Amino acid sequence: SYELTQPPSVSVSPGQTARITCSGDALPKQYAHWYQQKPGQAPVLVISKDSARPSGIPERFSGSSSGTTVTLTISGVQAEDEADYYCQSADSSGTWVFGGGTKLTVL
Amino acid sequence: EVQLVQSGAEVKKPGESLKISCKGSGYSFTDYWIGWVRQMPGKGLEYMGIIYPGDSNTRYSPSFQGQVTISVDKSIGTAYLQWSSLKASDSAMYYCARTTGFGVAFDPWGQGSLITVAS
Repeated sequence: SYELTQPPSVSVSPGQTARITCSGDALPKQYAHWYQQKPGQAPVLVISKDSARPSGIPERFSGSSSGTTVTLTISGVQAEDEADYYCQSADSSGTWVFGGGTKLTVL
Repeated sequence: EVQLVQSGAEVKKPGESLKISCKGSGYSFTDYWIGWVRQMPGKGLEYMGIIYPGDSNTRYSPSFQGQVTISVDKSIGTAYLQWSSLKASDSAMYYCARTTGFGVAFDPWGQGSLITVAS
């Protein structure tokens, strides 16, 4: 079955830049989306279609794509950004798949 | 405001049946797909399946095919996820979420329904 691979954890200091990657063979052909999930809360969409930022999401969140890897970048990380982040894409049949998630720790 | 409101937490015994709900508001319910996502305790998100309320077209992830049933009552703007015989391993948080189509992002999400199955 198709898999999306994310690092289990990323740590950054406040004000620094966090980069979270997501790798998958079908990513050159399928869009990726990113979700933020804080403890006890439902996921929230922060980036869609590789790099589109939904209304209400701070400008410090951005996304990019290169080959089989997509990247979520958080510039000027704030304490409130500490959360789990999940990428999502589709396999060749169009079925959604989630990455394993990355825990972002703000030191 | 587009909202998905899910039914509350449930505590059930193994072998019991259960149906949880997801009610959409603030948009045309029949024009968007509703997907279901499982999150086991301390684990990541797993896509379960999806339904189009307009015609009840339903697709399941291979991992969940035959394990759950997704349905909809478009007259009341509500989608459902049900089990005929729960197992302890079904204990998890279940989320519904809206999407415009395959490969498109889920947005927004319901608040989640916590299901606990224990004897």
